[in-house]
Amino acid sequence: NAGVTQTPKFRILKIGQSMTLQCAQDMNHNYMYWYRQDPGMGLKLIYYSVGAGITDKGEVPNGYNVSRSTTEDFPLRLELAAPSQTSVYFCASTLGGGNTIYFGEGSWLTVV
Amino acid sequence: EDKVVQSPLSLVVHEGDTVTLNCSYEVTNFRSLLWYKQEKKAPTFLFMLTSSGIEKKSGRLSSILDKKELFSILNITATQTGDSAVYLCAVAYGGSQGNLIFGKGTKLSVKP
Repeated sequence: NAGVTQTPKFRILKIGQSMTLQCAQDMNHNYMYWYRQDPGMGLKLIYYSVGAGITDKGEVPNGYNVSRSTTEDFPLRLELAAPSQTSVYFCASTLGGGNTIYFGEGSWLTVV
Repeated sequence: EDKVVQSPLSLVVHEGDTVTLNCSYEVTNFRSLLWYKQEKKAPTFLFMLTSSGIEKKSGRLSSILDKKELFSILNITATQTGDSAVYLCAVAYGGSQGNLIFGKGTKLSVKP
């Protein structure tokens, strides 16, 4: 059971470039989330999804887009990367209804 | 504005000491409070608390929630160097369990 898998683990982007962070879970979870964690800070919710075809903004959605075409996958797209998007990104999923939230191992992104 | 505040922000103790980490919150539509341990990578789940006054225990770790005073504590007894980590408190709110507001974390360093 792989759990929540994120790729890539590390990436350096130039300002203005675009990229997609991939997230997949094999637990048939309905709920999936993207968080970012800046140094010395807690995690902040970027976007979330309560099921295939449904996405919604979290606390810090600007500069990002998501899609949820399948239950398993929840990619996060960065358009026109900016230095402020340098962060560690965590994908998470849960079955919902009070069940444990599972996190991926994180994607370290640097924008220079 | 919803917020989760952890204290202290950092703590240095010696092996064998007992520590208490604090988390206070002001969150609308509270569902539950969660504690995570974060070492180098993704946060790992410790406890989820939904009811006041019921202590949850796992080995040397325990936690309790006070919904009247809006805080929780995480106790670690007989600390070990392997307990060194950032401990994150998060409050789940609203209709989806994964909508979490995180505190900034408490960085615990346990010296031999």
